[in-house]
Formats: sequence, structure tokens, C-alpha cells
Amino acid sequence: DAKTTQPPSMDCAEGRAANLPCNHSTISGNEYVYWYRQIHSQGPQYIIHGLKNNETNEMASLIITEDRKSSTLILPHATLRDTAVYYCIVLRNTGNQFYFGTGTSLTVIP
Amino acid sequence: DTAVSQTPKYLVTQMGNDKSIKCEQNLGHDTMYWYKQDSKKFLKIMFSYNNKELIINETVPNRFSPKSPDKAHLNLHINSLELGDSAVYFCASSQDVGANVLTFGAGSRLTVL
Repeated sequence: DAKTTQPPSMDCAEGRAANLPCNHSTISGNEYVYWYRQIHSQGPQYIIHGLKNNETNEMASLIITEDRKSSTLILPHATLRDTAVYYCIVLRNTGNQFYFGTGTSLTVIP
Repeated sequence: DTAVSQTPKYLVTQMGNDKSIKCEQNLGHDTMYWYKQDSKKFLKIMFSYNNKELIINETVPNRFSPKSPDKAHLNLHINSLELGDSAVYFCASSQDVGANVLTFGAGSRLTVL
């Protein structure tokens, strides 16, 4: 499965959009981009996933570049409860051997 | 109505002891997992069961023995606990073996003294 690169940490002002980037330059055609987050002392939580089209759900939007080598998770109006570590994972949609890397630690500032 | 529940949440024990962590999911999912999160916060899969059958065993010492009495339960038994076993253990489930949307439990923090 493709490797991903994320910045180790980011800050965002409360109420503003949080844009979390992820590079996955070795992604192959049948691999999806998944985003999970882990709030302190809780289990990871699924956010969103996509293949090549942009996706939106009640939690976030996922923007995938046309060449699919990078993506951005957007939390449109960040709240303090969005402070968490965000993991970008690239996987084929058949297997389920998730390997969570170091992720991006997002701090939402009041 | 917790979807994936683990017990106990905290476990403190001495080296050499045997302990178990229990996991139950009420989502009707076919596949369950155990993950280990170490002090550096890396999450690594340990085991995966589909409909009570082991499908993934990731080079975990045989002191760790998962047991799935039915597809809603996946328990983890650890023999002869070592200091390095101290970690947070997460149980998770997914609809089926090919699904990558996992629902995680809240975790069980194991401390071995």
C-alpha cells in the first residue's frame, strides 16, 4: 500500500476552516484515500474516504488532486472538539491491513 | 448503546501475570480486530477475525491469544505479561473483511509493572 506524508502538527483558529494536507505520490489506481482521527484518550474515528472524486459528508470534505498524488481534508468550521490527530491512509478497497502512521496533530485554538 | 465496547478500560498488573481484555460489538459486523498503540502512538494491527475465523496474525508473540466465541465478540488473552506489553489496546469492527471503514472501541490501557 502507498505511503503517506503528513505535517506533524498544525494549528487552526476556532470557526475557521482547517485544511489538512496529505501526500501520497506512490498511490496506485485502485487505492483509496481514507481519513481517520483520534481524539485524545479515544479510539480512532472514521471521517471520510475517496478514490478520485471530491467527497463531502457531515464531518468533512476530501479534495483529491487530479493526479491523485495528494489530498486535503477540510473541516469547514473547526471547533475545539476537532482537536485530534488526523491520519491519512491509502488502501486498496479489498484488504484491511490498516497501518496508522504518525498523522497530523491538529490543535484548534479559541 | 455503545457500538464497540471493551473491558476493562484500565488494567495494571505485574510482570508474569496472565490477563484478558474483552470486546463486544453490537453493529452486526462480520469482522473484528485488535490493534496495539504503543507509547510513540503508532497503531499497529495485531489480529483480525472474520466470522470467528482468524484471517490476520501480524507477527505477534504467541503469548497473545485471541478468541472469538461468536462474531460479536473478540477477546484477547495475554500470558506471561512483559513490560513491553504496556500499551493501549483497541478493538475494532468492520462490516466485512473487505471493508475499510472501521469502528473502534475506546481502548484498554494495559500497564505492566
